[in-house]
Amino acid sequence: DSGVTQTPKHLITATGQRVTLRCSPRSGDLSVYWYQQSLDQGLQFLIQYYNGEERAKGNILERFSAQQFPDLHSELNLSSLELGDSALYFCASSVEAMGGNEQFFGPGTRLTVL
Amino acid sequence: QQQVKQSPQSLIVQKGGISIINCAYENTAFDYFPWYQQFPGKGPALLIAIRPDVSEKKEGRFTISFNKSAKQFSLHIMDSQPGDSATYFCAASMVGSARQLTFGSGTQLTVLP
Repeated sequence: DSGVTQTPKHLITATGQRVTLRCSPRSGDLSVYWYQQSLDQGLQFLIQYYNGEERAKGNILERFSAQQFPDLHSELNLSSLELGDSALYFCASSVEAMGGNEQFFGPGTRLTVL
Repeated sequence: QQQVKQSPQSLIVQKGGISIINCAYENTAFDYFPWYQQFPGKGPALLIAIRPDVSEKKEGRFTISFNKSAKQFSLHIMDSQPGDSATYFCAASMVGSARQLTFGSGTQLTVLP
């Protein structure tokens, strides 16, 4: 158990819908990263927040957004969902934003878009 | 230049054997190289990591070998066990960035009993 929690574990929805994925980092970790894992694209970085502020963006679609709240939990919002958005979504947390420290991954949310 | 190339895609090893997975990178700004292990239905779990100031790091049965001049690094699993059967990912992060990880494509390891 990494100490990172994600809810829900599974999510099934229809095209065009909007969903919210939630992540709680390890106690004391200020940095949250979101990654997408799909068969064709592998594991890809989406976005990072540090202590409530967005620090970096990767291959994140404009239909996707995220935020980190004062209690440090983070939410990833996916809207206008398409079949191709079906994937595993992981969050990871680390102590620092730029220290090259270990990132600990949550169990993921499996999103299925029908 | 952002890519990390991983090979082989799949690997079958007998119990007690040595598993070797290789990764190569182009961007010399990468300065942190972790390996993750992922079981089906689980998130990636950090196994071991190395920085380019050392050529080798060992933790238990797991060893990273790092060749800075060749821009290559590899994971060696000694005395491989059936419980090691999983997908392994190499990754890298860059100095001066937000330390997001760039992952290799993964290696599915099967250790036969």
